[in-house]
Amino acid sequence: AQSVAQPEDQVNVAEGNPLTVKCTYSVSGNPYLFWYVQYPNRGLQFLLKYITGDNLVKGSYGFEAEFNKSQTSFHLKKPSALVSDSALYFCAVRPNDYKLSFGAGTTVTVRA
Amino acid sequence: ETGVTQTPRHLVMGMTNKKSLKCEQHLGHNAMYWYKQSAKKPLELMFVYNFKEQTENNSVPSRFSPECPNSSHLFLHLHTLQPEDSALYLCASSQGSGGSYEQYFGPGTRLTVT
Repeated sequence: AQSVAQPEDQVNVAEGNPLTVKCTYSVSGNPYLFWYVQYPNRGLQFLLKYITGDNLVKGSYGFEAEFNKSQTSFHLKKPSALVSDSALYFCAVRPNDYKLSFGAGTTVTVRA
Repeated sequence: ETGVTQTPRHLVMGMTNKKSLKCEQHLGHNAMYWYKQSAKKPLELMFVYNFKEQTENNSVPSRFSPECPNSSHLFLHLHTLQPEDSALYLCASSQGSGGSYEQYFGPGTRLTVT
């Protein structure tokens, strides 16, 4: 069974609106959680990670993510989306030092 | 993206050919990875190397053969591939192979098997 899920294949938002990309995980213990972004014809770029401590993690390009242990979620957010944020976003989880597992990805399209 | 480089960026090969993919990281990392990325599927981890030693092989067919001569270089040797092996092959590196270390990816090699 897949340990990380991204329930939305696509997210469409208007520029300037808030952006949320959802991620849920199904592993026990205290996993490490990551977000990556992939622009066309490029490799994945690390955005942010949750290790421990404050549930709100801030990352690159104005992105942040909120860890919710009770809901086993790690949603990626940006208060005001830009057209240049259009890309493929991947959530990843590493449970207790085991191997890293990636979600299937969510395509974000920000329209001008 | 200069931290992790991959060559070639595009490769077309027949099923009877032998070719190699190259990856080099300039980040001083100790762990390197090969991933396969196919459309509409999660990234598939193929191999993991830590301090030049292979620590993981995720049931990858023997027509894919990795080589890690040092902590900065990683190769993927290809022979007698199948059309379903067509995909984007990504190399990544990290400071360590587990824990909270994030991975840094190269731009990938787009492989087409004809």
